[in-house]
Amino acid sequence: AQTVTQSQPEMSVQEAETVTLSCTYDTSENNYYLFWYKQPPSRQMILVIRQEAYKQQNATENRFSVNFQKAAKSFSLKISDSQLGDTAMYFCAFGPNFGNEKLTFGTGTRLTIIP
Amino acid sequence: DAGITQSPRYKITETGRQVTLMCHQTWSHSYMFWYRQDLGHGLRLIYYSAAADITDKGEVPDGYVVSRSKTENFPLTLESATRSQTSVYFCASSESRGHPQHFGDGTRLSIL
Repeated sequence: AQTVTQSQPEMSVQEAETVTLSCTYDTSENNYYLFWYKQPPSRQMILVIRQEAYKQQNATENRFSVNFQKAAKSFSLKISDSQLGDTAMYFCAFGPNFGNEKLTFGTGTRLTIIP
Repeated sequence: DAGITQSPRYKITETGRQVTLMCHQTWSHSYMFWYRQDLGHGLRLIYYSAAADITDKGEVPDGYVVSRSKTENFPLTLESATRSQTSVYFCASSESRGHPQHFGDGTRLSIL
């Protein structure tokens, strides 16, 4: 079974700074998908970014980028030029390439952007 | 509007009562999921469905029942609610393997 670990329960950063959230996972599979989801105080779960394990290039979405290290089983999220609206819980998730569609989530990192 | 809708958004009930949480999606996604979110646990999968009439257990299925007679609906029933089932429940859907899951807005369920 896969496991996902987010070792930073809480983080805070000044507005406009850059912050990196860490995520590690454990799997015996070679092909899979990784996701970062954002959950603001409104409780919605919003997809931030998606990475396919067979792609070496790190995914980027505007101010959000990942550092995907397959050998180390690490998938960190970097937020550049942080904004107040980035304040949220962030969840890392692992998705298999075979079998069912079940996602395994980490326990989350609560990020606070300080004005 | 297209999307995934959960109802109710909030629910308070008593132990021993039966309660059903509704989930409806308009994308015709094959896969649908139910998660519960509790402090310190992140999101844990309760049940999932790969298609109409196909359901399977997730990580924490005890005390829950699901059905999927139509592709667009995936209700979750607590047959005899217990206080340990107090949680926030999320429904999600996905087009296919590798595609992101799209989540509803969640139902906060309190069992007294």
